[in-house]
Amino acid sequence: QSALSQPVSVSGSPGQSITISCTGSTSDFGSYNLVSWYQQHPGKAPQLMIYEGSNRPSGVSNRFSGSTSGNTASLTISGLQADDGGDYYCCSYAGRNIFVFGTGTTVTVL
Amino acid sequence: QVQLQQWGAGLLKSSEALSLTCAVQGGPFSGYYWSWIRQPPGKGLEWIGEINNRGSTNYNPSLKSRVAMTADSSKNQFSLRLSSVTAADSAVYYCAADRSGSRFGLWGRGTLVTV
Repeated sequence: QSALSQPVSVSGSPGQSITISCTGSTSDFGSYNLVSWYQQHPGKAPQLMIYEGSNRPSGVSNRFSGSTSGNTASLTISGLQADDGGDYYCCSYAGRNIFVFGTGTTVTVL
Repeated sequence: QVQLQQWGAGLLKSSEALSLTCAVQGGPFSGYYWSWIRQPPGKGLEWIGEINNRGSTNYNPSLKSRVAMTADSSKNQFSLRLSSVTAADSAVYYCAADRSGSRFGLWGRGTLVTV
């Protein structure tokens, strides 16, 4: 099972919006809509930001939003803030009771 | 609030077995999916597998022949064993959990394992 493809890096200025893509095969996403997104700061454990494609856990800012279309999931961060910098990973249920993570994207706030 | 506390040996020799344990604190053990995820230094996340409170397991096919996960509800703990480790298994290992089997909402702090 190959990792989902993400851009290596995305950058933006404070206040701007950025979007991170996550691309896989049909078998990765299927009809499950079970994509989640995680933010990771250096030396820290990942934190769940989006689940089931577009849902935010309690406590996560509404500046984070997710969507899915075909074989691509996307995470959008609006009103970019300095603390949004870090690594972001998508993850999808890939059928047959397995999960696959994306390659990861480093977000830089300029 | 449920928290995960993990521990285990951090330095192994090739061919030895990795053993890590994760304790659930501040909440019920039942009703959760318990997972292990690893991250080699400077690299991305890799799902290792999961176990639920009924003891059913699912493993990453690439590791399946070497992985075993167990859960002990009497101790509120779940464990990972990875046999025959090599340098390629060097990573930070995280335990994770969620009431839904489709996401990882709770994470341990991670244990660095060096082979």
